[in-house]
Amino acid sequence: ILNVEQSPQSLHVQEGDSTNFTCSFPSSNFYALHWYRWETAKSPEALFVMTLNGDEKKKGRISATLNTKEGYSYLYIKGSQPEDSATYLCALQTGANNLFFGTGTRLTVIP
Amino acid sequence: NAGVMQNPRHLVRRRGQEARLRCSPMKGHSHVYWYRQLPEEGLKFMVYLQKENIIDESGMPKERFSAEFPKEGPSILRIQQVVRGDSAAYFCASSRDPMGEQFFGPGTRLTVL
Repeated sequence: ILNVEQSPQSLHVQEGDSTNFTCSFPSSNFYALHWYRWETAKSPEALFVMTLNGDEKKKGRISATLNTKEGYSYLYIKGSQPEDSATYLCALQTGANNLFFGTGTRLTVIP
Repeated sequence: NAGVMQNPRHLVRRRGQEARLRCSPMKGHSHVYWYRQLPEEGLKFMVYLQKENIIDESGMPKERFSAEFPKEGPSILRIQQVVRGDSAAYFCASSRDPMGEQFFGPGTRLTVL
């Protein structure tokens, strides 16, 4: 069992603010780092899969970076909108195929 | 192309009964994963199956839990003689390839009375 930690646990931001949160993981046995967006009563939706140190991925206003040597990934949201409100999960994929999830960051964007 | 389907969405059982949870993977996906989310906890891996084979069951409790993914039909997670501690949300995911991106279903919320 690998310990994947996410911070903060929850976050409230005003509409239009930019925000970011962190995923920390043990850097040994790294294969890939996944970010998911999870809205209440829906399925977790894949945002990014990152494998290389220094990877940066972007989808619209959301982007993520990866540092495998120090064991962390950041997720950034630029100009937050109410529809961005969700729980953001990161998951570490090791040599095996199962994913080790963090407990998530719950984002609330206040209109 | 329909996503991962799970049924039932909600299941209520009394202690000692059996629970059967079903997962139909996305079309073209032959790899299925089951995860469990206990109250106030994150998603935890239970078992990984490929058609007719269990590949990794390291996260599954040794007793009362079993999983299968037959040649035809959905994957089944079976919990025998349920106890209150089994109350959780059970999520299924599928992928096309062994190390491919996993797509999640909406989950089954099991409540044991």
